[in-house]
Amino acid sequence: GNSVTQMEGPVTLSEEAFLTINCTYTATGYPSLFWYVQYPGEGLQLLLKATKADDKGSNKGFEATYRKETTSFHLEKGSVQVSDSAVYFCALSEDFNKFYFGSGTKLNVKP
Amino acid sequence: DSGVTQTPKHLITATGQRVTLRCSPRSGDLSVYWYQQSLDQGLQFLIQYYNGEERAKGNILERFSAQQFPDLHSELNLSSLELGDSALYFCASSVAGRKNEQFFGPGTRLTVL
Repeated sequence: GNSVTQMEGPVTLSEEAFLTINCTYTATGYPSLFWYVQYPGEGLQLLLKATKADDKGSNKGFEATYRKETTSFHLEKGSVQVSDSAVYFCALSEDFNKFYFGSGTKLNVKP
Repeated sequence: DSGVTQTPKHLITATGQRVTLRCSPRSGDLSVYWYQQSLDQGLQFLIQYYNGEERAKGNILERFSAQQFPDLHSELNLSSLELGDSALYFCASSVAGRKNEQFFGPGTRLTVL
């Protein structure tokens, strides 16, 4: 079956530190992969996506590369800001009808 | 503001009761998705509707049901409520299934006492 596993949080970083949040997946077919962000008290927002192997999704300084050989889609940012504090969810979908989400990783960025 | 509205924002009820959560998608969006977010289960996909018809089903209990009406708004009905049903319920909408971004509403927080 399909599933997503992401690193447990919380992750606490100082401002301008490098961020990596690991995400690995299991899928029966060829899924599209997503990262969503949830700010306190709000719904999820799409951060970036990649629809095929070796694609790199990027947005707001965040990047993730679809690695089929390692079934991974790790989220990275070179220099985090306090405003990046949020919960980050990795997700997959094979058909854009059914979506599978990871458990979420809370990021705290200290000034 | 994503353009997706959900009502009510908060709902407190007792075990055994039945509630209805409502979602209005963004203007023009035909697909509606329902999710349950709880501390122990994370974010779980429940069900998707496309233009009034059920398109995909996830981990939705038999006590739960949903529908999408001709004006495209959707309702999620939860019955015989249990303490474990306490969670945030999110609705999301998209133009169509394939390759289109989902826009999430702010959620309805359900507390079952």
